[in-house]
Amino acid sequence: QSALTQPASVSGSPGQSITISCTGTSSDVGGYNYVSWYQQHPGKAPKLMIYDVSNRPSGVSNRFSGSKSGNTASLTISGLQAEDEADYYCSSYTSSSPPWVFGGGTKLTVL
Amino acid sequence: EVQLVESGGVVVQPGGSLRLSCAASGFTFDDYTMHWVRQAPGKGLEWVSLISWDGGSTYYADSVKGRFTISRDNSKNSLYLQMNSLRTEDTALYYCAKRVSPSHAFDIWGQGTMVTVSS
Repeated sequence: QSALTQPASVSGSPGQSITISCTGTSSDVGGYNYVSWYQQHPGKAPKLMIYDVSNRPSGVSNRFSGSKSGNTASLTISGLQAEDEADYYCSSYTSSSPPWVFGGGTKLTVL
Repeated sequence: EVQLVESGGVVVQPGGSLRLSCAASGFTFDDYTMHWVRQAPGKGLEWVSLISWDGGSTYYADSVKGRFTISRDNSKNSLYLQMNSLRTEDTALYYCAKRVSPSHAFDIWGQGTMVTVSS
């Protein structure tokens, strides 16, 4: 069982917006602004999309945005495109062991 | 080009040992904390271990503590994971990843190396 809870799947049509939630505790998501999000296409390595809750690395589309409220972080993808179809994982630094935890992953389907 | 390339993954019997390597290029390797993250077939990501820039600090997931050892050779721009007493549940694709400094995220990942523990 993963330390962070994500929905198993979400879906949306091209052009729409979707939000993926990531729920933890006050020891991880709620206690630090160190939530990150990763995109993983089949057979590929994860790619960093958001770090420190809401920061985008250079080269990541501004259609991707992150936020946090209490113990729940969220990834929002606006203007859905077919290429966004992938698995998405959240991660957080924690005050316990292990010091990093991941969510179980969310499969995004673009209809 | 910033790059991480893992190697060393093979099929090994339960109880066996293995050493994974990760070769870094395109960045100043000894400036960064490095991590190993694994992914069992069809499953999610699991953080395994980290080592500080100078090798002075190491941390492990409870599932591998006492069996795995992380190390690095900054003169060779290389990261290692010594895996002993392997179990079937260690079967996974093992990624090395670079930490975003000063944050706590992983901005560069290798392509992974597959470890299969099976009799």
